Amino acid sequence: QVQLQESGPGLVKPSQTLSLTCSVSGVSISNQLYFWNWIRQPAGKGLEWIGRIYPGGYTNYSSSFKSRVTISLDRTRNQFSLRLNSVTAADTALYYCVRKKARGYLDYWGQGALVTVSS
Amino acid sequence: DIQMTQFPSSLSASVGDRVTISCQASQGIAKNLNWYQQKPGKAPKPLIYDASTLETGVPSRFRGSGSGTDFTLTISSLQPEDFATYYCQQCEDLPYTFGRGTKLDIK
Repeated sequence: QVQLQESGPGLVKPSQTLSLTCSVSGVSISNQLYFWNWIRQPAGKGLEWIGRIYPGGYTNYSSSFKSRVTISLDRTRNQFSLRLNSVTAADTALYYCVRKKARGYLDYWGQGALVTVSS
Repeated sequence: DIQMTQFPSSLSASVGDRVTISCQASQGIAKNLNWYQQKPGKAPKPLIYDASTLETGVPSRFRGSGSGTDFTLTISSLQPEDFATYYCQQCEDLPYTFGRGTKLDIK
């Protein structure tokens, strides 16, 4: 069965880089039927899409993050990753990795990784 | 960006009630609208996609309707496990955008 699991540091200092990895099992990230997304949710607030990566490595990012974000794939490990530079307290949130059907909806979500930005 | 306006932001109801949540897109999105349910401490779970298609395993008391700019999620007879926060999300265009959520709690 498909599972996604986020991992990475839970605490990042302001101005530094947030790095998270999503380990995917039950499906290959090279499968052309799916895109791989990062979405975040500040505590008590709504959901914000950060960006996505295609199996071929092409990416799309929200303009809210465009200058700071990089999403990449590691096909050998069946993982994809998020890097967000120059973080501030406003980047404190629960970060989800999520699969989306190429023509469809966000169908499988990781459990979320809480990242706190604080000195 | 396509703005998704969801209302009400909160709703109190009783078991057995029928409730309706609305979602309005700032421009036409055809039927590219999905609904998710989120319980405290859990990731969102897909309920309905393409505006009206139930995800596998979702009870038939959930119904989605609409197209273009106006959409609704109806729960016909609330069950205890339905008390949660519901989000609409458009996938017509990037960036994917979500409504602010409707928190459904027990009256």
